[in-house]
Amino acid sequence: QVTLKESGPVLVKPTETLTLTCTVSGFSLSNARMGVSWIRQPPGKALEWLAHIFSNDEKSYSTSLKSRLTISKDTSKSQVVLTMTNMDPVDTATYYCARIKYSSGWAFDYWGQGTLVTVSS
Amino acid sequence: EIVLTQSPGTLSLSPGERATLSCRASQSVSSSYLAWYQQKPGQAPRLLIYGASSRATGIPDRFSGSGSGTDFTLTISRLEPEDFAVYYCQQYGSSLEPYTFGQGTKLEIK
Repeated sequence: QVTLKESGPVLVKPTETLTLTCTVSGFSLSNARMGVSWIRQPPGKALEWLAHIFSNDEKSYSTSLKSRLTISKDTSKSQVVLTMTNMDPVDTATYYCARIKYSSGWAFDYWGQGTLVTVSS
Repeated sequence: EIVLTQSPGTLSLSPGERATLSCRASQSVSSSYLAWYQQKPGQAPRLLIYGASSRATGIPDRFSGSGSGTDFTLTISRLEPEDFAVYYCQQYGSSLEPYTFGQGTKLEIK
């Protein structure tokens, strides 16, 4: 059974750095035909892709947020970590991690439940 | 960056009717990398269609996807009460900006 679960702070202050962890089970982060992405959704708005990481440590970032994002993984812990620097109230959103799979056309076939992060002083 | 534009923004239909949702890309998208998701309030999105026309595991056959190039369609043949939700299209493309989503279509009960 594939599951992903996000964890991290629910409230961060402006200018702080956000660190989110995605813990996965039911598949390995070393699987060559899979990866993990982070996606966010501000309240009432559309989905926005942030970053992804593959088993070979290949990474990619949203062009608009690239300077603020870092994605990494710890295969032994089955965890993917996203950091976002210089948080602003406009970054208030539900943050999801999701699995991406080659045989699904690199679509997001499993999602975590999401974690709401509020940016406020 | 490839921009995906979904139409209509809101679609009001009754159970039993047929729903047709559109996703138009600003430049050609590989059919292999076009997907559709359903999202209900308070829930994570759920993958419905990948590769433009392949149903994901467990998705009922009333959901179908079609299209190529810049124009893609999600069709729900006979709406069930549980189908009323927001639907997003998504593409996987260039290495510069691998993933983009459309702005969503809200399917509401008429």
